[in-house]
Amino acid sequence: SAVISQKPSRDICQRGTSLTIQCQVDSQVTMMFWYRQQPGQSLTLIATANQGSEATYESGFVIDKFPISRPNLTFSTLTVSNMSPEDSSIYLCSCNGGATYPGELFFGEGSRLTVL
Amino acid sequence: GENVEQHPSTLSVQEGDSAVIKCTYSDSASNYFPWYKQELGKRPQLIIDIRSNVGEKKDQRIAVTLNKTAKHFSLHITETQPEDSAVYFCAASNGGNTPLVFGKGTRLSVIA
Repeated sequence: SAVISQKPSRDICQRGTSLTIQCQVDSQVTMMFWYRQQPGQSLTLIATANQGSEATYESGFVIDKFPISRPNLTFSTLTVSNMSPEDSSIYLCSCNGGATYPGELFFGEGSRLTVL
Repeated sequence: GENVEQHPSTLSVQEGDSAVIKCTYSDSASNYFPWYKQELGKRPQLIIDIRSNVGEKKDQRIAVTLNKTAKHFSLHITETQPEDSAVYFCAASNGGNTPLVFGKGTRLSVIA
């Protein structure tokens, strides 16, 4: 299995500011996925991050709002830009299990953002 | 793309009874169907999964069944305990490096 360290675990942010969430994986992984979980809701995929190429965004999410970096096979960041109260959510990074656990996703601990 | 429907959204059972949560999916190419349990304030944790080459899988009090023809799969929890109280999510993907698509979740309450 993969162990993902995600930070910050939580933060309170002011409207209009930006925050970057970092995820470090303890092994090299091909794909990393960023999900958003709004209060009381399910997990919604924001984007897929592949090392060496631009992230692929799902409908409703754009790069200007959620820029993603994937500089190597063990690390990724998600920035939530120009935040508004509607961005208050838990943001989860995840990675696939590779050949050992095909399809399975391993999650970071999540970053709970509250925007005032 | 894939669409996963999950029912019910809330479920209350007496301790010791069984709980069943059902999901349907739309993409016939999906072949991997995991179930995640999320306790309050924690990340989702995989509890059981099934792949399209099997129809049923069991792990102690938890079982999952899959009907590929009908495109539905179910989670069965027997002899429920208060610690089973959580939100359960089903998901689907076509495996490999593709992301999971999640159902909307079921909030299970086990009443002692």
